[in-house]
Order: sequence, then C-alpha cells, then structure tokens
Amino acid sequence: DVKVTQSSRYLVKRTGEKVFLECVQDMDHENMFWYRQDPGLGLRLIYFSYDVKMKEKGDIPEGYSVSREKKERFSLILESASTNQTSMYLCASSSASPGLAGGPGSYNEQFFGPGTRLTVL
Amino acid sequence: DAKTTQPTSMDCAEGRAANLPCNHSTISGNEYVYWYRQIHSQGPQYIIHGLKNNETNEMASLIITEDRKSSTLILPHATLRDTAVYYCIVRVAGGSYIPTFGRGTSLIVHP
Repeated sequence: DVKVTQSSRYLVKRTGEKVFLECVQDMDHENMFWYRQDPGLGLRLIYFSYDVKMKEKGDIPEGYSVSREKKERFSLILESASTNQTSMYLCASSSASPGLAGGPGSYNEQFFGPGTRLTVL
Repeated sequence: DAKTTQPTSMDCAEGRAANLPCNHSTISGNEYVYWYRQIHSQGPQYIIHGLKNNETNEMASLIITEDRKSSTLILPHATLRDTAVYYCIVRVAGGSYIPTFGRGTSLIVHP
C-alpha cells in the first residue's frame, strides 16, 4: 500500500519559533508538494519539488522554505512562525513517469499524507 | 490550466446515485479531468481521471460531455462514508507539476 507520512498530526508552537514539518513517501516519487488548507480557501500550494535539491514556489511561498536532500523526504520550514500560519498542512507526492497521463514528466495522481494541524500561539 | 466551477454543496440519500457536476468550459484539447475527494480530517484521495472517453473504476464513473466543457462524477450507490469534499481539476498532460485545487463540492450523504 502506497504511503505518505507526516511527522505529526497535531503541533502547537509559539510565535517566532522555527518549525519543521517533515514528509516522507515510500513510492519513489519524483514530485513532492506542500499545501496548506484553510476554511473557505481550499488547498493552496506553498512549494513543490520535482527532484532532489530542486524546488519551485507555489502560490503562497512567503514565510516558508523547503528542503529536499533525499528523494523520499520533503521538509517544510517556517523560519519564524506567526499566528497567520496556523493551518492544516498537507504533503503530497506524485510520479513523473509516463504512467496514466502519458508523456515524460506528466502529472499523475497525487497521494496525500494525513495532514499536520499546526497551531501558532 | 483551465479553471473549474463546481456547486458549493450537494446532498444525496444513502443508496442512491450521487451525481457531482463540474464545468470546465475553457478546457483545452490536451487537458485531463481529475477528481479527488477529501474526507474530514484526512488528506485528499485520488478517485478517477479521463480525457474524453467515459471512465469507470471501483470507486466511481466519470462522464465527460462530447464538447468536454463539463463532466459528472457518479457515485452509483452512495454510502455515509462518501460524505466528503469533492474536487474537480483539469491538468495538462506533460505540463507543469502544479495542481490547483479549488473549493470543491461538499457532498453530504444522509440516511
């Protein structure tokens, strides 16, 4: 069974703390993603990575950074947590093989982790 | 990528078919239609996708109109566990890796 795991289901931090959210996938996927989800706003993409050490900004990268030193692990970093970063954080991965969608580098279905509910006080 | 429009919410009786519509009137010829769902407190889960032919798997059926400007996800016999938010997404095959999720349709299946 394919699996994306996130380091914590619930996390409480204080304003100004450095926060690390870890995501690990066991499917040898090339692509990994970090989203945040807030009521009424749906899922918004923060960053994604299509290869080790490669990263691209999503729609809302401000206040976040990422690290991908190994293919299976993608970390989201809040350098100095703020209360407006209180949210549900979701990690996902997808393959980039021809697979179902066809063609090199094509988008295939994403597999999501269970999410981390972060509260910044 | 083409944008999608979905109703904010729908409800369905348990055991009946749930038909969830999605409009994607600006879809281009090489864009696929994907459906995901998100059950409360879980991450989204892939359901099905298609290009122009109708598709069926163990979870659902996807009906795409001939002009491809709209589609319908069908859950043939909805159960209480199908209560979730359903997202319709259109993506270019071989395009960028950024999938965009809108607000989806909140489906409530009632007894």
